[in-house]
Amino acid sequence: ILNVEQSPQSLHVQEGDSTNFTCSFPSSNFYALHWYRWETAKSPEALFVMTLNGDEKKKGRISATLNTKEGYSYLYIKGSQPEDSATYLCAFAPSREYGNKLVFGAGTILRVKS
Amino acid sequence: DGGITQSPKYLFRKEGQNVTLSCEQNLNHDAMYWYRQDPGQGLRLIYYSQIVNDFQKGDIAEGYSVSREKKESFPLTVTSAQKNPTAFYLCASSGGTGAWNTEAFFGQGTRLTVV
Repeated sequence: ILNVEQSPQSLHVQEGDSTNFTCSFPSSNFYALHWYRWETAKSPEALFVMTLNGDEKKKGRISATLNTKEGYSYLYIKGSQPEDSATYLCAFAPSREYGNKLVFGAGTILRVKS
Repeated sequence: DGGITQSPKYLFRKEGQNVTLSCEQNLNHDAMYWYRQDPGQGLRLIYYSQIVNDFQKGDIAEGYSVSREKKESFPLTVTSAQKNPTAFYLCASSGGTGAWNTEAFFGQGTRLTVV
């Protein structure tokens, strides 16, 4: 079983605070790392898909970095807003011999207070 | 509109019954997945399929069965052998073989309760 760990489990911040979460995954047999945002009563939606060591991706106030050699990815939110409240999931895609699958972490629950 | 549809949204099952959860996609994706979520836990992989007529067990396949007779459809049967089936079930699809570096798209989920 491939384990993907996310921390912290939950986070409460004030509007305007910047925050970051961590996703740890197996450093060997890496193919891709995904980040998803899952809002209450909605389906998870993709934020980023990263495949290269050192990748940095940005979408508005949200950005992510990837270190495949040490097996971690960071998700950053700058100036958190109440609408950023959601569960943030990362998913690890192992290399081809492990099958075409996505292994998810437990997620980080973010609550932003106005 | 293209997307992935799960039905029903809520499902109640009596002890000892088999139930089937539907998942249909019109995104022309090769790969489809079934995940289960329990309170306080992340998504755990039940089964996945890379192409039609082929599927593999995930981490928690015991008590479940699937079929992939058509590209668009990947139904999940929760059998009476599944000891604790009450959970939230999510279906997803993605670009396919050799393309799982592309994002997955999810259905709205089915909440199954044993009564």
